[in-house]
Amino acid sequence: GENVEQHPSTLSVQEGDSAVIKCTYSDSASNYFPWYKQELGKRPQLIIDIRSNVGEKKDQRIAVTLNKTAKHFSLHITETQPEDSAVYFCAPSSNTGKLIFGQGTTLQVKP
Amino acid sequence: DTEVTQTPKHLVMGMTNKKSLKCEQHMGHRAMYWYKQKAKKPPELMFVYSYEKLSINESVPSRFSPECPNSSLLNLHLHALQPEDSALYLCASSGTGVSPLHFGNGTRLTVT
Repeated sequence: GENVEQHPSTLSVQEGDSAVIKCTYSDSASNYFPWYKQELGKRPQLIIDIRSNVGEKKDQRIAVTLNKTAKHFSLHITETQPEDSAVYFCAPSSNTGKLIFGQGTTLQVKP
Repeated sequence: DTEVTQTPKHLVMGMTNKKSLKCEQHMGHRAMYWYKQKAKKPPELMFVYSYEKLSINESVPSRFSPECPNSSLLNLHLHALQPEDSALYLCASSGTGVSPLHFGNGTRLTVT
């Protein structure tokens, strides 16, 4: 079955620094690559996504890069703020409609 | 402020009880999902409905029974649950094709 791995599992940065989280997947049919943010006690919410025909997408301080050949995609957060502290999940998917989440990365931004 | 509404927010049930979780969306989405999330773990896919038909069942025990009465509603019927089934149950919906999931706020289930 599909294998999704996220690294690192925890990440602590100083406010204003950058954070990068990497997601590696095994299903070569994957064509949709979203990142979700889940704050403590809240529901997961989409923060950025990319499709297989694009290599990079940026939305203000957040960007996602995709390397389909190597089967990984990464979340980049610049100028981190305390409110970025949360658990981040990748969930690569294909046309099967099955979104399998990575194990999550707990990001702590220290003021 | 969520477009996917789940009820109840909290549920405590005994192992012999029968209860149902409800989910509703009015975004016109034709795919709806049930996920189970334990503390400090990712959401774990249980069921997917596409155009009101069950399309994916991730080998979920029969004590969990999903139902999709119409394109806006999704239920999860619970019967004879075990304490290890205690978790946050999240409903989500998405548009056609591969598209983002919109999650509800979840039902926090405790089985005693």
